[in-house]
Amino acid sequence: AQSVTQLGSHVSVSEGALVLLRCNYSSSVPPYLFWYVQYPNQGLQLLLKYTSAATLVKGINGFEAEFKKSETSFHLTKPSAHMSDAAEYFCAVSTNQAGTALIFGKGTTLSVSS
Amino acid sequence: DTGVSQDPRHKITKRGQNVTFRCDPISEHNRLYWYRQTLGQGPEFLTYFQNEAQLEKSRLLSDRFSAERPKGSFSTLEIQRTEQGDSAMYLCASTSGSRSEQYFGPGTRLTVT
Repeated sequence: AQSVTQLGSHVSVSEGALVLLRCNYSSSVPPYLFWYVQYPNQGLQLLLKYTSAATLVKGINGFEAEFKKSETSFHLTKPSAHMSDAAEYFCAVSTNQAGTALIFGKGTTLSVSS
Repeated sequence: DTGVSQDPRHKITKRGQNVTFRCDPISEHNRLYWYRQTLGQGPEFLTYFQNEAQLEKSRLLSDRFSAERPKGSFSTLEIQRTEQGDSAMYLCASTSGSRSEQYFGPGTRLTVT
């Protein structure tokens, strides 16, 4: 069985500050991990993915995430927040078997203040 | 590629009515998924198609729900005798080949009054 826990349902940062969104996973098999972003009334857009290659993954819009097996974590970071980063962020887990559904966390809402 | 499209974007219906949603995946994507997202939650898996075959259904998919993908291209999700608890965003996603990531449509927001 797989599951995802996102710590903190709401994170607030100032523009230019570091963004850190936390994700811990549980998986009985080697996981594939994803971060998606959702803007109001829109679908989900893929930010980045980990599929057992490099543990530090770079994504779009300056985001990156590091896979830490010992900590079962896949935290999302961005060095400097922009106002346009305000959105809801979802961490998801899957497996390497084709067709496996994504299991999502409950999401973290990121607010950015000027 | 044009992205995944869903129609309608919004649907308001009275309790007890039937509704049908459509999803058009990215061209030539052979795998298609339906998810449901309620307020304050992440998307939850409903069902999965590979080509026209429905290969997996979640226990969330009660017998009032039915999904089809008759020609392996677009898919429909029908809810019969809607209940207020069916109010949610219904998301469609597609992918293909050895890809692990899924590409999502904009969703259909259902409100049952």
